[in-house]
Amino acid sequence: DAGITQSPRHKVTETGTPVTLRCHQTENHRYMYWYRQDPGHGLRLIHYSYGVKDTDKGEVSDGYSVSRSKTEDFLLTLESATSSQTSVYFCAISPGRGYGYTFGSGTRLTVV
Amino acid sequence: QKEVEQDPGPLSVPEGAIVSLNCTYSNSAFQYFMWYRQYSRKGPELLMYTYSSGNKEDGRFTAQVDKSSKYISLFIRDSQPSDSATYLCAILITSGGGADGLTFGKGTHLIIQP
Repeated sequence: DAGITQSPRHKVTETGTPVTLRCHQTENHRYMYWYRQDPGHGLRLIHYSYGVKDTDKGEVSDGYSVSRSKTEDFLLTLESATSSQTSVYFCAISPGRGYGYTFGSGTRLTVV
Repeated sequence: QKEVEQDPGPLSVPEGAIVSLNCTYSNSAFQYFMWYRQYSRKGPELLMYTYSSGNKEDGRFTAQVDKSSKYISLFIRDSQPSDSATYLCAILITSGGGADGLTFGKGTHLIIQP
């Protein structure tokens, strides 16, 4: 997707291991979001950021932390991965409140 | 009750038919209404966006919002096999400081039969 890149695209990790997912944008948008998508639950907001070093929790933030030290990068960390965190993770960006979001291609994470 | 309800389908219609996709919501504070399309193993892409009651048209797509009934719809005219995807409604509250995240419906899986 133009302007937003997620890495890695796929990852398999073991229970109890810390994992960091990266979202990189070239649009200079202020707002960045992390969602997870699961069958039967749809897309749920984990954390979001409204500026460098400004972050807040979403609906399903337990077990996750985020950091944003630069406008272009938003990192999602699973502090100690569990099988319930097996999911597809999407990053999204937006220039401001009331604007549509642009989503990345997703990271498919499997915790074994 | 989840804030945004959407029938998961699947909804299967023949090519050329008019498709109607719907969502209901419970929070009157919702202000912005969007529809996203998601192809398998891809990220959602924004299709339609509106903040007022009434209709908004873009090509074969029409978004309709009825705030009094808390009901939003997406109509697709002259449906094509390439329209086969999952359609997600998304609603946004903007209040206070910071950025409130979009609340999504679970998505309706649409199949257009050639």
